[in-house]
Amino acid sequence: SQTIHQWPATLVQPVGSPLSLECTVEGTSNPNLYWYRQAAGRGLQLLFYSVGIGQISSEVPQNLSASRPQDRQFILSSKKLLLSDSGFYLCAWTEDANTGELFFGEGSRLTVL
Amino acid sequence: AQKVTQAQTEISVVEKEDVTLDCVYETRDTTYYLFWYKQPPSGELVFLIRRNSFDEQNEISGRYSWNFQKSTSSFNFTITASQVVDSAVYFCALSQDSNYQLIWGAGTKLIIKP
Repeated sequence: SQTIHQWPATLVQPVGSPLSLECTVEGTSNPNLYWYRQAAGRGLQLLFYSVGIGQISSEVPQNLSASRPQDRQFILSSKKLLLSDSGFYLCAWTEDANTGELFFGEGSRLTVL
Repeated sequence: AQKVTQAQTEISVVEKEDVTLDCVYETRDTTYYLFWYKQPPSGELVFLIRRNSFDEQNEISGRYSWNFQKSTSSFNFTITASQVVDSAVYFCALSQDSNYQLIWGAGTKLIIKP
């Protein structure tokens, strides 16, 4: 069966520090991968999606970046965090981006101080 | 423009009451998919249902039911005999045949009081 994991679950970082959130999917190949952010009390904002290795599409211009070094690995990074980067980050995958349901990871709660 | 509107920001009911969460969508595509997801306090989103634009049959799954009406561009979600465990944020979403993204509503926070 397919599983998705992301880590770390909780992160407290000072402003200006780097960030790396990692997400891996098991039990499937060539998944469509997504990074979402959810600010407190708000809806989901799509940050990045990837349809294959090395293929990243950015939806929101900001100081975050994403990479997909392997088929089932998706990494969210920042060189210098801002206070506004605080939020709940969710990784998700689907086999079919148009018709398939999204499977979400457990989420990573980032607090930037 | 494509858009999903969940006008109810928060709903609070007493356990065992029925509750309906509204979802209104906008799209120009004739082929599209509608979804409902549940986000419990733990944070992980859980898929509830997918409905394609050519299937207007209502669906019932236990205490959950969904009413899809193309005439009003709505895909409402009803929980019958609500329980405390139903407390969560519920998101409605729209997927179109023409791109890779889900368009999300802002979510409705449902509070079920014992």
